Amino acid sequence: NAGVTQTPKFQVLKTGQSMTLQCAQDMNHEYMSWYRQDPGMGLRLIHYSVGAGITDQGEVPNGYNVSRSTTEDFPLRLLSAAPSQTSVYFCASSYSTATLQEQYFGPGTRLTVT
Amino acid sequence: SQQGEEDPQALSIQEGENATMNCSYKTSINNLQWYRQNSGRGLVHLILIRSNEREKHSGRLRVTLDTSKKSSSLLITASRAADTASYFCATAGVDSNYQLIWGAGTKLIIKP
Repeated sequence: NAGVTQTPKFQVLKTGQSMTLQCAQDMNHEYMSWYRQDPGMGLRLIHYSVGAGITDQGEVPNGYNVSRSTTEDFPLRLLSAAPSQTSVYFCASSYSTATLQEQYFGPGTRLTVT
Repeated sequence: SQQGEEDPQALSIQEGENATMNCSYKTSINNLQWYRQNSGRGLVHLILIRSNEREKHSGRLRVTLDTSKKSSSLLITASRAADTASYFCATAGVDSNYQLIWGAGTKLIIKP
């Protein structure tokens, strides 16, 4: 199993550009989520999904959209990039939605917005 | 908002010594999880302890949970250089609505 994969690993955007961060998992996990991590801080939840066709907002959803058309994929779209979105983005998945269990993380995407 | 708090923020010890990190939280939980993050990498799950458990072991790791004090500790015994990383706690609250609450982490440096 590849686990959780994310692409790209690095990205530089100009203010106002849009892009999609890709996330895929091959563990048949129902729960998937996107986090951002800023220097010296823990993780902040952007959006999450408890199954195909179901998404919801986390702590910091503004400026981001998600969709979950399949169990495997959970892309994160930046609508109009801003310097405040410079961060490292992690996708995670988990097999259980009833009570959140062990999270499996991707390697991250380091995004810089200039 | 982050409800988990960890201390210390940073810890530097000699190889072979034990390292203890603490995590406090604010709400009733179903479980508490510890993760490790090596520099520039994704997080790796270490241990999950349920609210009805008081202590759990995994290799050189020992986690305790005190729900009356809303706190947990992670002990790494006989530390190694490879243990150098940031350690995070995360709580699955009873009313969490599918969201883990994360602490800001403890940065552990093991000196050879």
